[in-house]
Amino acid sequence: GAVVSQHPSRVICKSGTSVKIECRSLDFQATTMFWYRQFPKQSLMLMATSNEGSKATYEQGVEKDKFLINHASLTLSTLTVTSAHPEDSSFYICSASLAGNTIYFGEGSWLTVV
Amino acid sequence: GDSVTQMEGPVTLSEEAFLTINCTYTATGYPSLFWYVQYPGEGLQLLLKATKADDKGSNKGFEATYRKETTSFHLEKGSVQVSDSAVYFCALSGDLGANNLFFGTGTRLTVIP
Repeated sequence: GAVVSQHPSRVICKSGTSVKIECRSLDFQATTMFWYRQFPKQSLMLMATSNEGSKATYEQGVEKDKFLINHASLTLSTLTVTSAHPEDSSFYICSASLAGNTIYFGEGSWLTVV
Repeated sequence: GDSVTQMEGPVTLSEEAFLTINCTYTATGYPSLFWYVQYPGEGLQLLLKATKADDKGSNKGFEATYRKETTSFHLEKGSVQVSDSAVYFCALSGDLGANNLFFGTGTRLTVIP
């Protein structure tokens, strides 16, 4: 079946630095990818919809200048957390949409900002 | 707004025990309901779904029935196996369909031999 790969699975970064998380669709072309985050004991929340070749669409309350999303090709979307702070520590997960509304998720990335 | 409330874990069961993971929802309109599963080291996978009231989704021995009167979609399995150890997420789709999913917090299930 379709596979979505996310990297890195765990990352620790210093406060004030930036960190990039990659989401790749390995065996299909994904014109649309989605980025979610989950704080401890809370639900997965949609952050943004990433469209290949155009700007991402951000959900209300998500800072577009802080969470930079780039979808440069049909198989790769990246999420860059800029000037990270400890409150950005969270679980980030991407998903990619295949024709027919089937959605495949990556493995998720644990970000810890110290 | 739309939301999903899911039974908190973790849940630890012995092999062949009966499993229930509760899920209730709040939604306008008529959402579709889903259970997703994440096995260790893997991405989320769709386990089963139901698109209208009284529908029963089933897969791999798991079942869940869309109950509109109680706004529930509880996940059940009659006899769990060690290989069922995973995190289970209840979700509903909003007005935009499968591209706009609301998730529960997830329930970690551990099955011991």
